[in-house]
Amino acid sequence: GENVEQHPSTLSVQEGDSAVIKCTYSDSASNYFPWYKQELGKRPQLIIDIRSNVGEKKDQRIAVTLNKTAKHFSLHITETQPEDSAVYFCAAVADQGGKLIFGQGTELSVKP
Amino acid sequence: DAMVIQNPRYQVTQFGKPVTLSCSQTLNHNVMYWYQQKSSQAPKLLFHYYDKDFNNEADTPDNFQSRRPNTSFCFLDIRSPGLGDAAMYLCATSSRGVRAPLHFGNGTRLTVT
Repeated sequence: GENVEQHPSTLSVQEGDSAVIKCTYSDSASNYFPWYKQELGKRPQLIIDIRSNVGEKKDQRIAVTLNKTAKHFSLHITETQPEDSAVYFCAAVADQGGKLIFGQGTELSVKP
Repeated sequence: DAMVIQNPRYQVTQFGKPVTLSCSQTLNHNVMYWYQQKSSQAPKLLFHYYDKDFNNEADTPDNFQSRRPNTSFCFLDIRSPGLGDAAMYLCATSSRGVRAPLHFGNGTRLTVT
C-alpha cells in the first residue's frame, strides 16, 4: 500500500523567509497530492493540490512541485507571515483503493 | 455558513459508556468520512461512505460503528470507549471521493474519564 513520508516534522522560519516542506510517496500509481493546513484546535483545510499530469502549481505565495520519477512533492511558501504558522499535512491518493494517505505533518512556526 | 457541522464540539464520556458523535453537511456530497486524530498526529481514516456503501478500514476496531441514514447525516458510535479512544474526531465530505478536496468539520474532541 501507499506510504507517505513528510519532512521536517518541525520548521521555524523568520517572517518574510521561505519555507519548504517535502514529502515522498511509495506507490508510483498515486495521482493526486493535496496539502492541508491545520491551525491549532481547528479543522484541516485544503490549501493547494496537484495532480500527476502537472509538475508545478502556484497560488499566490504557495506553490507545490511534483517529481513523479523521484516520487516526491514539495510545498513552498514564500514571504512567510505569522498567520502561516500551523501544522501542514501532505497526502497522496493511489489509484488502487483510492485511499487518502496523510504524511506525519510539519509544524511550521513563523517568528515575527 | 458552516457546511460540515459536527456536534457536539466537546464530548466527555465515561469509560465503557456508549457515545455517539454526529455530522451533518449542506454540500450534498456523496462521500462522507470519519477520521480519528490524536495529538500531534495525522488524521487516521476509520471508515467512509460512498453514497450508502459503507467502507471500513481494516484496522478500525470493532468498537467503532457508523450510520448514515441519509445523504446529509452521518454518525459515529463508539460502543465501549476506552481511554485510548480519547481524540479529536473529524468528519469530512467530498463530492468525488478522495481525488477531490475534503471538506472537514470542526471536529468533536472526545474525552474519556
